[in-house]
Amino acid sequence: ETGVTQSPTHLIKTRGQQVTLRCSSQSGHNTVSWYQQALGQGPQFIFQYYREEENGRGNFPPRFSGLQFPNYSSELNVNALELDDSALYLCASTPPPISESSYNEQFFGPGTRLTVL
Amino acid sequence: AQSVTQLDSQVPVFEEAPVELRCNYSSSVSVYLFWYVQYPNQGLQLLLKYLSGSTLVESINGFEAEFNKSQTSFHLRKPSVHISDTAEYFCAVSRSGNTPLVFGKGTRLSVIA
Repeated sequence: ETGVTQSPTHLIKTRGQQVTLRCSSQSGHNTVSWYQQALGQGPQFIFQYYREEENGRGNFPPRFSGLQFPNYSSELNVNALELDDSALYLCASTPPPISESSYNEQFFGPGTRLTVL
Repeated sequence: AQSVTQLDSQVPVFEEAPVELRCNYSSSVSVYLFWYVQYPNQGLQLLLKYLSGSTLVESINGFEAEFNKSQTSFHLRKPSVHISDTAEYFCAVSRSGNTPLVFGKGTRLSVIA
């Protein structure tokens, strides 16, 4: 079984550019969450996608947007890049719940390290 | 809203010595609690979790954590560390089964030979 994969592994952009990061969820997982991990910080929730719809969003501006595709893979798009967007971007996929009250573990990919110059 | 405080940003410890990484959380509702480990240049791996039941939870590699509701803590311990335990450790909470994780800032554990 293939785990969560992300591409690219590293990326360098300049201020004002746009970037697209990609995530392939683990087989059978229909929910994808994105997190931003700045240097020396813990990951912060950006948003979550479930069945191709945004299903929750953290405290990030609208220039952070996403997509989920029918195969449950996902993209994170960031427009008008700023220096503070430099971070490790983590994608996590979650399997369908067994019940409403069941816990669903999030499985993390290795991340994409974005550097904005 | 939930929040997590990891009191130590860095913890150096000699090999085979015990270690405790501290984590306190704040929440107005019941939460699930987690410890994740991040090795250099890698993503996050779940180390252990508390969902319900026994307040002491263990991992397969010798770590354990105890949920203390009255002190709102979930400290991580290991009686004897190895060089391979050198990594960043993150404490996290979640309100329910499919809600986002809220992470602390992390504790860098450095095991010295």
